[in-house]
Parts: sequence; structure tokens; C-alpha cells
Amino acid sequence: SQQGEEDPQALSIQEGENATMNCSYKTSINNLQWYRQNSGRGLVHLILIRSNEREKHSGRLRVTLDTSKKSSSLLITASRAADTASYFCATDYNTDKLIFGTGTRLQVFP
Amino acid sequence: DTAVSQTPKYLVTQMGNDKSIKCEQNLGHDTMYWYKQDSKKFLKIMFSYNNKELIINETVPNRFSPKSPDKAHLNLHINSLELGDSAVYFCASSPITGAGYEQYFGPGTRLTVT
Repeated sequence: SQQGEEDPQALSIQEGENATMNCSYKTSINNLQWYRQNSGRGLVHLILIRSNEREKHSGRLRVTLDTSKKSSSLLITASRAADTASYFCATDYNTDKLIFGTGTRLQVFP
Repeated sequence: DTAVSQTPKYLVTQMGNDKSIKCEQNLGHDTMYWYKQDSKKFLKIMFSYNNKELIINETVPNRFSPKSPDKAHLNLHINSLELGDSAVYFCASSPITGAGYEQYFGPGTRLTVT
């Protein structure tokens, strides 16, 4: 299976702390995306990073991509209780479809 | 206005029945998708349509038949439902075909087959 692996599977932190999630994938990609899914809801797109980019920011989110290690990380700074959700990376493996990772469940305690 | 909407939100039915899920997007996107998310939260693409034309058809049983009457609508019909079909089904859309664009997801339809 080409499905990416995310690490950790679950993460619990206090409000104000930073949360880091990692995604590893198997073969070359053109793009990698991160999505958030709140409980019982659909996925919401966070950031898209292309294979020739190393870092992107969006508000409190920072995504890095290391194509040599076939890995990406999502950093959420100064986390809030509202950040509690599952986070998924998705890669394209040079195809027209997205392959989603296994997800990281983030719990932020007030 | 909801960008990508699905109906129904919940669907409980018995094995062997036939059911449909409807999806509509008001974003003007050309491409729409169906995904299945299982109980372990694993999300997998099933189908993709671009402007009413089927472009991705994963290894999905032929009991599943998507239909796109126009580029704003993508419906999923499931025949002879089985227990293993229980899952959350998500519709999504993107402006252009290809995995290099963000996708907008609907709220999901939770299908329970008893």
C-alpha cells in the first residue's frame, strides 16, 4: 500500500503548547497536502506544499517538506482547544489522486 | 451557503437494499470525488469525475455506481448493500483535475448497514 504513515497516532497537549505531527511517504511526489478533520465533520484543507518547496506558513501553521527523507511535518504553534481534531497528510505519488495518511489525533486541553 | 453539501447525513439500512447519496457543490469546480472513510479513519478515493466524465475509478465493487448529471452534482448509488459498506462517505470537489489542488469536502454521509 502507498498509504503514508503519520506519527504520532495520537498527541495530547495543553493549550499554548506547540504540536508537531510527522508524515512519511513511500515514493516520489509532486505535492503534499495537510487536512484537518473535526469529529463528525468533513476534511478541511490546511496547506499544500509542492515538491520544490521546503517550508510554508499559514497563520499558526508551519509545514516543512524533506523530499530526501520522504517526510513532512506540520507544526501548530500556541495551540488552542479548538485545534482538537485529526490531522491528515495526503500525497499524490505523481498521480491525479490523493492518497491520505493514517492521521494524527490531536487533543488540546484547556 | 454550504460549499459542498451531501444528503442524507445519516443512512441506516438493511443488507441487500439499494440506496443513494447525493452531493452538490456550488463552487463552480470542474472535478468532484467520492471518498470512503472506514471505522479506523482511513480515507480512500473511490471515484473522480471531471465535468461529468469519469476519470478515476478505483477498485470499487461494481455495486457502487456514481452518476454525474451535471458538473455541480455527483451522486453515488449502491446496490445490494453489504455489512462491509458501513462507513462514512465523503464527497469533495476541486477547481481542476489533479492532486495539485486543494479539495473541498462535504460533511459526510454515515452509512450503517445492519
